[in-house]
Amino acid sequence: NAGVMQNPRHLVRRRGQEARLRCSPMKGHSHVYWYRQLPEEGLKFMVYLQKENIIDESGMPKERFSAEFPKEGPSILRIQQVVRGDSAAYFCASSPMGNQPQHFGDGTRLSIL
Amino acid sequence: QQQVKQSPQSLIVQKGGISIINCAYENTAFDYFPWYQQFPGKGPALLIAIRPDVSEKKEGRFTISFNKSAKQFSLHIMDSQPGDSATYFCAAANTGNQFYFGTGTSLTVIP
Repeated sequence: NAGVMQNPRHLVRRRGQEARLRCSPMKGHSHVYWYRQLPEEGLKFMVYLQKENIIDESGMPKERFSAEFPKEGPSILRIQQVVRGDSAAYFCASSPMGNQPQHFGDGTRLSIL
Repeated sequence: QQQVKQSPQSLIVQKGGISIINCAYENTAFDYFPWYQQFPGKGPALLIAIRPDVSEKKEGRFTISFNKSAKQFSLHIMDSQPGDSATYFCAAANTGNQFYFGTGTSLTVIP
């Protein structure tokens, strides 16, 4: 019974490039959440999606960041024109319904050169 | 504004001792309070969770104590073991909405 799968585990980009982070939720889960974690800090909520819908994007920066969860395939967090400050661990979580236990993937560590 | 405040930031406990981590929240609409355990290089894993209709929940060596009037909840780890050394996060949520996480407590259990 596969858990939440995130890929890649590590991603290195140069300033100005695009970063695409993928998240496949647990089987049967239709709710996906993205979080950012900086060293020595907690998890900061970014966006909450259901299939084909963005439910809450209040934690997403207004520019350069976007997320989608299509009918088929994984959820994608896209960061355009990356800057050094985007370096962080990005975690995806999924749940079968809202306010149900969220199960986390092992994250994508993004490094910007 | 930090919706959930967690303390202490770090904690060192002797093997066999009790580890206690505290969290406080402001939003009375929160109705779900989970605790997560995170090891280096891994994602947070759900440890135990409580809803405000009970004051305590115990699972093995882990206990959540919940004080609704004080808007506080805490995690107690009994008979702490070196394998419990990890970062612990509390969180709070209200139905259908996002989770708010504390800033984490780094626990070290000394053999």
